[in-house]
Amino acid sequence: GAVVSQHPSWVICKSGTSVKIECRSLDFQATTMFWYRQFPKQSLMLMATSNEGSKATYEQGVEKDKFLINHASLTLSTLTVTSAHPEDSSFYICSARPLSGSGTDTQYFGPGTRLTVL
Amino acid sequence: DAKTTQPPSMDCAEGRAANLPCNHSTISGNEYVYWYRQIHSQGPQYIIHGLKNNETNEMASLIITEDRKSSTLILPHATLRDTAVYYCIVRAGNQFYFGTGTSLTVIP
Repeated sequence: GAVVSQHPSWVICKSGTSVKIECRSLDFQATTMFWYRQFPKQSLMLMATSNEGSKATYEQGVEKDKFLINHASLTLSTLTVTSAHPEDSSFYICSARPLSGSGTDTQYFGPGTRLTVL
Repeated sequence: DAKTTQPPSMDCAEGRAANLPCNHSTISGNEYVYWYRQIHSQGPQYIIHGLKNNETNEMASLIITEDRKSSTLILPHATLRDTAVYYCIVRAGNQFYFGTGTSLTVIP
């Protein structure tokens, strides 16, 4: 149980284009989902916290107009990287916190999406 | 910001216990300690969490000192597949802030 998927698993795009990454909780509902970014040989950095039906809360230094987050249902959150540039190339990982059950205090992570901007 | 410190790397012989330490000296009374691990190019995997009592599950044991300022994750019989970066996290409200973790290498 507590499986989180991400799509796509990897994407290559041209500079200036926008890329959408989906995060789905497959076997549970999640009121809260989180988006992280990880650069090579570094730890995960929290970008934003997303609550179903409301605006995301962004961490300091993360541009909300560049990283658009939508959390329209209890099982789906999307991250759109707008006007992507090479410095946005990174590993993007989402996590979800179950709405109910024994794991409500725990975040379950997706497999990550590797974004490369040319 | 991360509230934990961990050694950057450790080695462990296959079949032996791996003991991974974590310092969290500024932890508050109601903050939980979580452990995750990340195998290269994958998302973090939940291992275990606790508040003040020692915890055990099918993957590992978590030993938290009485003053809660440090903890140790124990993998009882390490295998090659346990090679990963292990993160100790103190949950601050709703968010997790990852530190630099410990890179564990299990040696045949």
